[in-house]
Amino acid sequence: AQKVTQAQTEISVVEKEDVTLDCVYETRDTTYYLFWYKQPPSGELVFLIRRNSFDEQNEISGRYSWNFQKSTSSFNFTITASQVVDSAVYFCALSESTGGFKTIFGAGTRLFVKA
Amino acid sequence: DVKVTQSSRYLVKRTGEKVFLECVQDMDHENMFWYRQDPGLGLRLIYFSYDVKMKEKGDIPEGYSVSREKKERFSLILESASTNQTSMYLCASGGTGPLREQYFGPGTRLTVT
Repeated sequence: AQKVTQAQTEISVVEKEDVTLDCVYETRDTTYYLFWYKQPPSGELVFLIRRNSFDEQNEISGRYSWNFQKSTSSFNFTITASQVVDSAVYFCALSESTGGFKTIFGAGTRLFVKA
Repeated sequence: DVKVTQSSRYLVKRTGEKVFLECVQDMDHENMFWYRQDPGLGLRLIYFSYDVKMKEKGDIPEGYSVSREKKERFSLILESASTNQTSMYLCASGGTGPLREQYFGPGTRLTVT
């Protein structure tokens, strides 16, 4: 069965600190897709990144970077030099190729960035 | 930009009323989804649809039904609203194959009194 665990419920940092949000997943499929979404205080979830199971390359986009490691079933998200605007709930999610496009979301990590 | 719109941001209904939540997407996506989001419970899938007139139950379909008569529109129906259906309802649409990330609407906060 597929499962996504975000063990960190809440994280609080001071602006300009780096922060890593952890995500661990479980799946029996060999082909699957991992995602990160951001839900700011306004409430609308925003898609950030997709990674497929065959692509373990890390990705960097500005201050955001993602580390995908199949050996540890992890897909961690790092924000460098955090800013107050990064305050949000972040969700990690998993979709299996055999799952009919259903996506399982983790419980989310609430990030507070203080000025 | 992908646009997913929901008919209302806030809705207050009485117990026993029939409630319609509408969702429209403009990206020609095959897949559409309805979730509810409650504190401490994360996102839970109610129903999804992978084609017009097709629907599949999610994890918590009880008390809900859906309708998809046109590709761009996916409606969630509460046949007889109850107080335990007070929640934030999120609609999403997504593509097929690897391009299956979901794009969400702004949500409807429904209060049933």
